Amino acid sequence: DAKTTQPTSMDCAEGRAANLPCNHSTISGNEYVYWYRQIHSQGPQYIIHGLKNNETNEMASLIITEDRKSSTLILPHATLRDTAVYYCIVRVVETSGSRLTFGEGTQLTVNP
Amino acid sequence: NAGVMQNPRHLVRRRGQEARLRCSPMKGHSHVYWYRQLPEEGLKFMVYLQKENIIDESGMPKERFSAEFPKEGPSILRIQQVVRGDSAAYFCASARTGQETQYFGPGTRLLVL
Repeated sequence: DAKTTQPTSMDCAEGRAANLPCNHSTISGNEYVYWYRQIHSQGPQYIIHGLKNNETNEMASLIITEDRKSSTLILPHATLRDTAVYYCIVRVVETSGSRLTFGEGTQLTVNP
Repeated sequence: NAGVMQNPRHLVRRRGQEARLRCSPMKGHSHVYWYRQLPEEGLKFMVYLQKENIIDESGMPKERFSAEFPKEGPSILRIQQVVRGDSAAYFCASARTGQETQYFGPGTRLLVL
């Protein structure tokens, strides 16, 4: 799986949009971009994933650049409960299934 | 629709004892993954199982660790003769088919005294 690079930490004001970047310059054509978060040692929580097109769900939006070498996770209105470590994972999706390889992630702190 | 369930949530064992961690996947999910998170470290893949089959165990320590996912019942991660270094949070995730999104359980926190 391609390696990802994320900032170690970020801060965001409550109610503002949180934009979390991820670089994956060696991504292959058959690799998806997945985002998970882990709130204070709880189980990782799936947020969103995409291949080429931008995606949006009830939690967040995922913007993938045209060359697919980077992406941004957007939490439109961050709350204190969004404070967590956010993981950007690039994953080959095969019919037989594949592991998730977690990096260091970005510690997002939402401030009141 | 219940999520992935793990039990126990906390487990304390003395060195040399056995630890059994259980994972019940989400309804309709037949693929289970186990991950370990050592204190102050990231999550590391351990093993991937389908019903009655181990698909990928490349992340499992070679000794003392085993996993199964029987036809009936939960997936079990078994650690024999535990040592202090086994103290960690163990998470399982399930997926409907192998290539689909993995959903995680709350984890089992193992403490070895």
